[in-house]
Amino acid sequence: AQKITQTQPGMFVQEKEAVTLDCTYDTSDQSYGLFWYKQPSSGEMIFLIYQGSYDEQNATEGRYSLNFQKARKSANLVISASQLGDSAMYFCAFAMNTGFQKLVFGTGTRLLVSP
Amino acid sequence: NAGVMQNPRHLVRRRGQEARLRCSPMKGHSHVYWYRQLPEEGLKFMVYLQKENIIDESGMPKERFSAEFPKEGPSILRIQQVVRGDSAAYFCASSPRLGVGDTEAFFGQGTRLTVV
Repeated sequence: AQKITQTQPGMFVQEKEAVTLDCTYDTSDQSYGLFWYKQPSSGEMIFLIYQGSYDEQNATEGRYSLNFQKARKSANLVISASQLGDSAMYFCAFAMNTGFQKLVFGTGTRLLVSP
Repeated sequence: NAGVMQNPRHLVRRRGQEARLRCSPMKGHSHVYWYRQLPEEGLKFMVYLQKENIIDESGMPKERFSAEFPKEGPSILRIQQVVRGDSAAYFCASSPRLGVGDTEAFFGQGTRLTVV
């Protein structure tokens, strides 16, 4: 079974600095997708970024980028120029490309951005 | 184009009552997924449905839980005889087709069930 590991229960960063949230995964599949979600205190799940296993370029979406290292099975999220509103839980998720979206989530990292 | 709509947002039930959670997928989406998030944990897959069919229910508890996605109307997650351990946030996601990609990555706002 696939497994997602987020080793950082909590991270602190100062406003305007960059922060990297770690995510590693364990799979023997070759075709899969990796996702990052943000969950603020209000509770909704906000999609941030997606990386396909065959994508040659690292995904980027505004201030979010995904540092995808396939050989190391890591998919770290980089948030540049942190803002106070970035304080939230961040979840990494994995899905096999088997034909439907059955996501496996990590345990999350709580990010706190300080002024 | 409205997103995935879930209602109610908050639901309080006494032990032994039934809870019904509704999910209206995005327009044109015929695939629905339900996830559960226990306090301080990540989301866990429960069930995947297409219109009138349950495709994968490997994450559903064996008893008291059921899900449907009728030809007309929203998908329903039903929990019978709720217990305190059912207290959680229940999220729904939808997609227009099979496959994995960023267009299939959106969730509803969730229903927070509290069992008292």
